[in-house]
Amino acid sequence: DAKTTQPPSMDCAEGRAANLPCNHSTISGNEYVYWYRQIHSQGPQYIIHGLKNNETNEMASLIITEDRKSSTLILPHATLRDTAVYYCIVRVEGGSYIPTFGRGTSLIVHP
Amino acid sequence: ETGVTQTPRHLVMGMTNKKSLKCEQHLGHNAMYWYKQSAKKPLELMFVYNFKEQTENNSVPSRFSPECPNSSHLFLHLHTLQPEDSALYLCASSQEEGARGYTFGSGTRLTVV
Repeated sequence: DAKTTQPPSMDCAEGRAANLPCNHSTISGNEYVYWYRQIHSQGPQYIIHGLKNNETNEMASLIITEDRKSSTLILPHATLRDTAVYYCIVRVEGGSYIPTFGRGTSLIVHP
Repeated sequence: ETGVTQTPRHLVMGMTNKKSLKCEQHLGHNAMYWYKQSAKKPLELMFVYNFKEQTENNSVPSRFSPECPNSSHLFLHLHTLQPEDSALYLCASSQEEGARGYTFGSGTRLTVV
């Protein structure tokens, strides 16, 4: 499975959009992009995933570039409760390899 | 509540104690995982069970002993731990091994004194 690169930290003003980038330049054609977040001292929580089309759900939007080498998770109106570590991972659908969670991006939403 | 329940939430134990962490899910998932998260470090995969069979042991010391009696329950038995084993221990489950989405429990915060 491909590795990912994320900035270690970002901050965002409450009510503004938070755009979290992820590079996965070695992604292969059958690998999906997944995003999770971990609020302090809790287990990671699934946010969204996609293959090549942009995706949106009640939590966030996922924008994947046309060459699939990078993606952006968008929290359209960040709240203080969105302060968390955000993990981007890529993996093959149905494969047996267990993806690893890197250090992620620590997002701080400030008033 | 995520559907994956871990007990206890907090545990303080001495180095000579024996204790067990419990994880339970009724999501119909057949793969379960133990992860360790030390302070300021990424999640570390410890064990993977698929259909009650252990499929991965990520070079974990023998003082950690997993048990999976059925697809809904997973235990982590602890004995003669060291202070550096203090961490957040997270259980997760998925529909199949390595499958698309993981559901994590809230974790057990373990302190070894």
